[in-house]
Amino acid sequence: GIQVEQSPPDLILQEGANSTLRCNFSDSVNNLQWFHQNPWGQLINLFYIPSGTKQNGRLSATTVATERYSLLYISSSQTTDSGVYFCAVHRGNTPLVFGKGTRLSVIA
Amino acid sequence: GAVVSQHPSWVICKSGTSVKIECRSLDFQATTMFWYRQFPKQSLMLMATSNEGSKATYEQGVEKDKFLINHASLTLSTLTVTSAHPEDSSFYICSAASSSTQYFGPGTRLLVL
Repeated sequence: GIQVEQSPPDLILQEGANSTLRCNFSDSVNNLQWFHQNPWGQLINLFYIPSGTKQNGRLSATTVATERYSLLYISSSQTTDSGVYFCAVHRGNTPLVFGKGTRLSVIA
Repeated sequence: GAVVSQHPSWVICKSGTSVKIECRSLDFQATTMFWYRQFPKQSLMLMATSNEGSKATYEQGVEKDKFLINHASLTLSTLTVTSAHPEDSSFYICSAASSSTQYFGPGTRLLVL
């Protein structure tokens, strides 16, 4: 099956700093999603981005499908950005396969 | 946007009892729903794919007789953990597919004593 690798596994940022999270996947995919899991466990869908670039406020994402990677950018980080960020991919009608996540801690 | 609910949000039970978790798509119909399990500080692992009106497809290593899945309608799938044991304690998350996007429920925390 498809393998999804995320880096870094852990990240500590000072409030206001910028960061880039990376997701590599082992095969071509139809869909790639970025999620933020909050401390209560809820998965918040950030981006549906099989290719190209999207922006939503302080967050943006870029997927280069031909090179099998995606990047999530967080600018001017806030303490509320803390949590785990997951990248997940799938092909066709198969279920999403998740990476192991990046655990982000933003400190004031 | 599409909303998926789960009930209950948390449950504590004694070892040996069965627990049923419901997953509902509130504003769309989902022919396919998925059940994931997440242990502390780990990623989400797919347990099974639930198709409306047919038997669920289980991932390798997931006991179908222990984790019973019923997808009786286009808006409801249930997961029953039978004869639960402490090692079944986990965070169970369902998702419902709409077009090529999966929408996730808020999860159910199960603690088996």
